Amino acid sequence: GDSVTQMEGPVTLSEEAFLTINCTYTATGYPSLFWYVQYPGEGLQLLLKATKADDKGSNKGFEATYRKETTSFHLEKGSVQVSDSAVYFCALIGDDYKLSFGAGTTVTVRA
Amino acid sequence: DGGITQSPKYLFRKEGQNVTLSCEQNLNHDAMYWYRQDPGQGLRLIYYSQIVNDFQKGDIAEGYSVSREKKESFPLTVTSAQKNPTAFYLCASSMGQGRTDTQYFGPGTRLTVL
Repeated sequence: GDSVTQMEGPVTLSEEAFLTINCTYTATGYPSLFWYVQYPGEGLQLLLKATKADDKGSNKGFEATYRKETTSFHLEKGSVQVSDSAVYFCALIGDDYKLSFGAGTTVTVRA
Repeated sequence: DGGITQSPKYLFRKEGQNVTLSCEQNLNHDAMYWYRQDPGQGLRLIYYSQIVNDFQKGDIAEGYSVSREKKESFPLTVTSAQKNPTAFYLCASSMGQGRTDTQYFGPGTRLTVL
């Protein structure tokens, strides 16, 4: 079945540092790929998405590019803020039309 | 404002009791979902519904039940048969259930069994 693997956390950074969270997937066909963010005690918010190869999703300074050749969708942000502290989930929708999640990566940004 | 509401935010239950979690959406979405989240894990699908009066089991449906009598409402009942119900429960909805349909999530209900 479809699966998503993302880098284990926790990740701790200083403000203005560069953030990368690796995400790779296994799926048949052409899945759509998503990044969601979860702030403490809250539900998930869509951060960005990409629906076909080479698409780049972007939002709030975050970017991720759908790389079919490496089955990856790595999340990046050039300069993080304390307010970016959260849990980040990579996810996909494949041929079964179900949303499959990675285990999540906890990011803490220190002032 | 359009969105998804879940109530209550916190819920406590004694062992052996059934409890119902509410989920309402005013996004006019056809599809709705229930997920369970345990600490340090991703989300797991409990039930989903593509249209009114129809729903399907997800990956961990045992000990749960749902109904979909109205398009905007998809309540989840956690029964006494669910052996480990303490978790964070998230409801979501999407326009349809296609590969590109984004799921939008509610704020969640944290259930604790005493």
